Amino acid sequence: LAKTTQPISMDSYEGQEVNITCSHNNIATNDYITWYQQFPSQGPRFIIQGYKTKVTNEVASLFIPADRKSSTLSLPRVSLSDTAVYYCLVGDDGAAGNKLTFGGGTRVLVKP
Amino acid sequence: DAGVIQSPRHEVTEMGQEVTLRCKPISGHNSLFWYRQTMMRGLELLIYFNNNVPIDDSGMPEDRFSAKMPNASFSTLKIQPSEPRDSAVYFCASSGGWNYGYTFGSGTRLTVV
Repeated sequence: LAKTTQPISMDSYEGQEVNITCSHNNIATNDYITWYQQFPSQGPRFIIQGYKTKVTNEVASLFIPADRKSSTLSLPRVSLSDTAVYYCLVGDDGAAGNKLTFGGGTRVLVKP
Repeated sequence: DAGVIQSPRHEVTEMGQEVTLRCKPISGHNSLFWYRQTMMRGLELLIYFNNNVPIDDSGMPEDRFSAKMPNASFSTLKIQPSEPRDSAVYFCASSGGWNYGYTFGSGTRLTVV
């Protein structure tokens, strides 16, 4: 599984856009990039997944450059409730029982 | 859909006692995962099953830990005997496939005193 590197923590203010960049230099051809969000006392929650270019859903956008060696999760206009830990994971699609290995994540604190 | 259901939500036990954590995955999901989370070590994958068969248990810390999945709708993680260092939040997750994401349960907070 490709190793990922992301900042340990980020602070932001309500209404701002938060961008978290994840490095995955040894990403393989079959690997997808997935982001999870974890609130205190809850399990991680799937946010978004992508393979290349840009993916957008109702929660976030995911930007992946052509070389796929990094990706950026963008949270538009954050609110206090977006305070959480955000995990970037990389793994391949297809094989049965693909396991997720979580790194340390990025702790995002949204201030009023 | 009720999601992944774990029980109990909280467990406090004395050192040396047997502890059994339970998980009901989402119906139709063919993969099930047990994770442990602590402040020091973060989220660690303990074991995962595919179609009820254990695929990789390399994350199980020692022989005191065992996991079973007797059918597609139920799994257990057992610790016998329990030790204070086993105190953590244990999560169960299920998936219908990598590109569908993993759904985690609410976790079981285990405290061994």
